[in-house]
Amino acid sequence: SQQGEEDPQALSIQEGENATMNCSYKTSINNLQWYRQNSGRGLVHLILIRSNEREKHSGRLRVTLDTSKKSSSLLITASRAADTASYFCAIRSNDYKLSFGAGTTVTVRA
Amino acid sequence: GAVVSQHPSWVICKSGTSVKIECRSLDFQATTMFWYRQFPKQSLMLMATSNEGSKATYEQGVEKDKFLINHASLTLSTLTVTSAHPEDSSFYICSAREGPKLARETQYFGPGTRLLVL
Repeated sequence: SQQGEEDPQALSIQEGENATMNCSYKTSINNLQWYRQNSGRGLVHLILIRSNEREKHSGRLRVTLDTSKKSSSLLITASRAADTASYFCAIRSNDYKLSFGAGTTVTVRA
Repeated sequence: GAVVSQHPSWVICKSGTSVKIECRSLDFQATTMFWYRQFPKQSLMLMATSNEGSKATYEQGVEKDKFLINHASLTLSTLTVTSAHPEDSSFYICSAREGPKLARETQYFGPGTRLLVL
């Protein structure tokens, strides 16, 4: 079942700006992961944050996790046209299944 | 990183025919593979989990006789859509997790197979 809910559904920004998207979930988690999907393509794993971590960085990506609020955010700094894609959060629950959110479609305008 | 391939990348078939989709882990052994379905502009929905050498576990609402899954080796899982109908048209994505430890965290995703049933 779909566990994560993402906000906003769509985001349009100018190249160079930052993009922030949020993910909320309802159950307890083992970890939370963020993926990118270009139109009609497979998923690319971006970053994983464990339930005992609060923040993680990878290049221009910054992920936060607040287990008390059951929410996570993904920040893409200094966006580029190539960042245009759909971004999904995925909840890894204690039964080791991955459940995906509805996704945020990000459009970066040149 | 680990690579997962799918074949074919897209397929068009007539209603009533069966279609087989292959998922291969190219450089690692995948004791567990997952099959997802994605409708346009929607999220990925887990259909089933397959473990090498055993029967697949299907999610609620997924017909096991409709979507046959075979995970015969540590590098290959197949999904057969039997007697396909237009409503089965979708984007099917497989994912593999490196075994044997159940707690391995990263799943590697294939590029997807787009199925169109006419």
